[in-house]
Amino acid sequence: QVQLQESGPGLVKPSETLSLTCSVSGGSVSDDYWGWIRQPPGKGLEWIGHIYHSGRTNYSPSLQSRVTILLEKSANQFSLKLTSVTAADTAIYYCARGEDGYRDWGQGTLVTVSS
Amino acid sequence: SYVLAQPPSVSVAPGETARITCGGDNIESKSVFWYQQKAGQAPVLVIHHDNDRPSGIPERFSGSNAANTAALTISTVEAGDEADYYCVVWDLSDGGHIEVFGGGTKLTV
Repeated sequence: QVQLQESGPGLVKPSETLSLTCSVSGGSVSDDYWGWIRQPPGKGLEWIGHIYHSGRTNYSPSLQSRVTILLEKSANQFSLKLTSVTAADTAIYYCARGEDGYRDWGQGTLVTVSS
Repeated sequence: SYVLAQPPSVSVAPGETARITCGGDNIESKSVFWYQQKAGQAPVLVIHHDNDRPSGIPERFSGSNAANTAALTISTVEAGDEADYYCVVWDLSDGGHIEVFGGGTKLTV
């Protein structure tokens, strides 16, 4: 089973950029596709986007203007950047491995947007 | 943008069959996935491509997709099945796909 671990700041100021990294073990980011999904406290899941092993990306239409997902093959990681954050971006952020659906997930990391 | 409709909650007694629906325009033409999320945990994929189960998922979990409604059926429900369930569809885009999540259904056992 592939293991994933999110890392990054737990607190981001409004209008700044949220940056998270997902470290992968037991598998390679040169295979499959890799996604980010978030969940505001007490609410449902929201897909952010994913990146294929080729580097091709797809993003949620509602977030596309603010999102960038990158592969870092040498470190076996992938990353998320979300610009111009507001309180509405406060959520648990999950990274996940995709193979006909997201089969392996990180434990999630809470990111709070507040001054 | 594509919208999926799920009932907020479903309640069943242990041993009964639970059916959670997911409505969407022409959903039968799309691939449907189902995730189970227990309290405080990351989601788990229980059904992919309408009615395929990943390894380790009990046969009690099954899916269907026809006539604008997809459904997750859990037979002989157990207390441990209590969770939030999300349907997801793939929408083909730019040579890949985007994913659309339903609002989730809380299953109470």
